[in-house]
Amino acid sequence: EDQVTQSPEALRLQEGESSSLNCSYTVSGLRGLFWYRQDPGKGPEFLFTLYSAGEEKEKERLKATLTKKESFLHITAPKPEDSATYLCAVRANSGYALNFGKGTSLLVTP
Amino acid sequence: GAVVSQHPSRVICKSGTSVKIECRSLDFQATTMFWYRQFPKKSLMLMATSNEGSKATYEQGVEKDKFLINHASLTLSTLTVTSAHPEDSSFYICSATKPRGATVNTEAFFGQGTRLTVV
Repeated sequence: EDQVTQSPEALRLQEGESSSLNCSYTVSGLRGLFWYRQDPGKGPEFLFTLYSAGEEKEKERLKATLTKKESFLHITAPKPEDSATYLCAVRANSGYALNFGKGTSLLVTP
Repeated sequence: GAVVSQHPSRVICKSGTSVKIECRSLDFQATTMFWYRQFPKKSLMLMATSNEGSKATYEQGVEKDKFLINHASLTLSTLTVTSAHPEDSSFYICSATKPRGATVNTEAFFGQGTRLTVV
């Protein structure tokens, strides 16, 4: 059974304090690992898709990396506006639907 | 980028009534759309897969007669919550996949979500 585990559940950072969020996965045939940002009361906002081990993608202060077992979302010098829940999801060979982790709730304080 | 529009964003209805939620892909054709449900501080749980021109595929435990899905065109899927009860109150989110050329990899974009409250 496909599984996605995110850690930590919650993370509090000071503005400018870099850190990483982890997404561990087990899936039969990975066809994409997705990172989303979700603000309260809103739908997930697409950030990145990674397809193969070793792949990296960057967007502003965010950088996502992928290995055969896990993905990291690195946040460099975060700002308060980066506060949100970050969701990781995988798509397996079995279909197009995404299997989500429970998310990491990030709070960045000034 | 791709945009998926969901309407309404918020709805309050009386117990026993039905509510329809629309999901539109605005700048691409989506042969497949997905409906998720999210409980407070929980992750998204897949309810069903909506396929254009055919019946939806429901996940185990999801009542197909309560959650009616129609995908009549390549840009519109609807979810109707029939005979709603307070326990159906939740955040419902749709997603559409955007093909990436000839590859099998597809991007997945989400609507803004619909907060349903049944009173």
